[in-house]
Amino acid sequence: KAGVTQTPRYLIKTRGQQVTLSCSPISGHRSVSWYQQTPGQGLQFLFEYFSETQRNKGNFPGRFSGRQFSNSRSEMNVSTLELGDSALYLCASSAAGTGGANTEAFFGQGTRLTVV
Amino acid sequence: AQSVTQPDIHITVSEGASLELRCNYSYGATPYLFWYVQSPGQGLQLLLKYFSGDTLVQGIKGFEAEFKRSQSSFNLRKPSVHWSDAAEYFCAVAPYNTDKLIFGTGTRLQVFP
Repeated sequence: KAGVTQTPRYLIKTRGQQVTLSCSPISGHRSVSWYQQTPGQGLQFLFEYFSETQRNKGNFPGRFSGRQFSNSRSEMNVSTLELGDSALYLCASSAAGTGGANTEAFFGQGTRLTVV
Repeated sequence: AQSVTQPDIHITVSEGASLELRCNYSYGATPYLFWYVQSPGQGLQLLLKYFSGDTLVQGIKGFEAEFKRSQSSFNLRKPSVHWSDAAEYFCAVAPYNTDKLIFGTGTRLQVFP
């Protein structure tokens, strides 16, 4: 079956603009999480969604937001882009969404966002 | 607060040599622990995971990891490294009842022929 699909793969935006990234989870998966990866900060958790509800949120400013649709697809939005938002944004999906022993997160290839 | 430490930023080994990547975690309860691998420009692939039971866990690609509660460690090992193992390796912990992953800073593995 198809893996986690993230679109677009690459994106270049100007400071002050906003951007929307998309993630389609593996079919049947109901949990979607987002991560930001930068050379300086590493992999940092952004949000986790399960059945259209945000269950956890990382320590990011309010400019970062997300949502999940009834088909489990998820989007994240970053408003008023800053140079420091340049990063690889990774989406992961998992089946049960109950964590622990059921956690096996499958990652997409990511969206490389460059802010100029 | 939960955290993961990977003390080695960069490791270089010769092909065929054994490998051990270190991971220490801080977590109040029994942790759920993972090792992921990331090749350049790619997402993360799960190598193995530990939830409970046998403290020696077998994963894909010939990797294994040992959970040591007394040392708060979950080190990744491979008896004989292949050139294709060159990648970045991340240790992660998941708090109870959530799919949120807390990652270490990663260890970049370089393999020389």
